This record gives sequence, C-alpha cells and structure tokens, in this order.
Amino acid sequence: NAGVTQTPKFQVLKTGQSMTLQCAQDMNHNSMYWYRQDPGMGLRLIYYSASEGTTDKGEVPNGYNVSRLNKREFSLRLESAAPSQTSVYFCASNPRGPTSKETQYFGPGTRLLVL
Amino acid sequence: RKEVEQDPGPFNVPEGATVAFNCTYSNSASQSFFWYRQDCRKEPKLLMSVYSSGNEDGRFTAQLNRASQYISLLIRDSKLSDSATYLCVVKTVNDYKLSFGAGTTVTVRA
Repeated sequence: NAGVTQTPKFQVLKTGQSMTLQCAQDMNHNSMYWYRQDPGMGLRLIYYSASEGTTDKGEVPNGYNVSRLNKREFSLRLESAAPSQTSVYFCASNPRGPTSKETQYFGPGTRLLVL
Repeated sequence: RKEVEQDPGPFNVPEGATVAFNCTYSNSASQSFFWYRQDCRKEPKLLMSVYSSGNEDGRFTAQLNRASQYISLLIRDSKLSDSATYLCVVKTVNDYKLSFGAGTTVTVRA
C-alpha cells in the first residue's frame, strides 16, 4: 500500500495562475481532507470530504475549490493563486467518517510558492 | 485563544536525557487526543494516541489531565533520532476536524 500520495511535490506559480493539487489514497478510507501548514501555526483545514460525493468547507476555504472524484481521489484547486497561498499543503484520510474517534493519515505534502 | 497551545521550544537535550512537555486545549468537549511527530519538511505521522489512564509506547509516555485540560508527552533515554517537532492534536466529539497545536521542537544532541 502506498498510503496517501500527493502530486506534485513542489510547484512555483505566478500570481493569478491556476493549478490543481492531486491526492489519492489506496486504503479504502471514507473521508479525506486538505490542510495547509504555515510557519508557527498548526495545520489548518481547508476542505474535507466525509464520503464519496460530498465536500464541505473547513476553517480556511477562501480561494480554493475541491473535487472528490471517487473514493480514492480528492483534488484541491487554486483558481487564481495569490502570494498568501504560499504554503505546504497536506492531504489526509481517515478510515471512517470525520466524526469518528480515529485519527488521520497524511500524504507527503506539496510545497507551493506563489510569486 | 487558540484551541490547542504548545510551548514551541526548542528543547535542546543531550542523548540519554529525559524531556517532557505539555499541551493545553481549550474545548472541554474534546474527546480524542494524539501526539504526532513531524520531521523537517515531512508529513505529520501518528506517534501515539493518548488515553484517559495514560499510556506508554516504549520510551514515550503520554498523560491526559481532563480537569486541567492538558496532555503531556515524556521521552525517556532520548535518542538522536527523536529530534523532531511534536504536534499535539485534539478532536472534539461529533466534530469533523482535528485541532493542531503549532508544535514543540525537540533537538537531541550527541
């Protein structure tokens, strides 16, 4: 099992460009999440998907959109990148639903720099 | 007030030493507690869950104090490989999200 995979690992964008971050998990997990991590701050939830076909906003959704393509894949899209979106983005998954007691498993991250 | 607060450190300790640090949480409805480890430029990885009665995993001991709303992590006989940032993570009953502390950095020196 590869666990949670993310592509790309690194990306440099210019302000206003768009891009999609890809995430896939092969653990048959129901729920998936997108976080961003900035220096001196804890991980902050951008969006989550409790199950295939559903998505919901997290703490910091502005400037992002998501798609739960199927049970395995959950993508994050930046339609018009801004320097404030420079961050490390982590995808995570959870075996059951988001309200379960179980914790989450993380992908290796995507480092994004917006100039 | 942040939901989860941690002393950022760094805690700089020699090999073989014991190091301990706490994390406080603000929501009394918090249900589940975890310590994650994050190495530089890597993803967070689950170190251990924290149970009400306290629990050990090898050289690591976690404690929960619900009355004072804090959890602790103690590392005995520190190894160089224990150098990392330790994230305190809290989950509230019926809530969808995990709340992360900003992390405590531990550096073990030879």
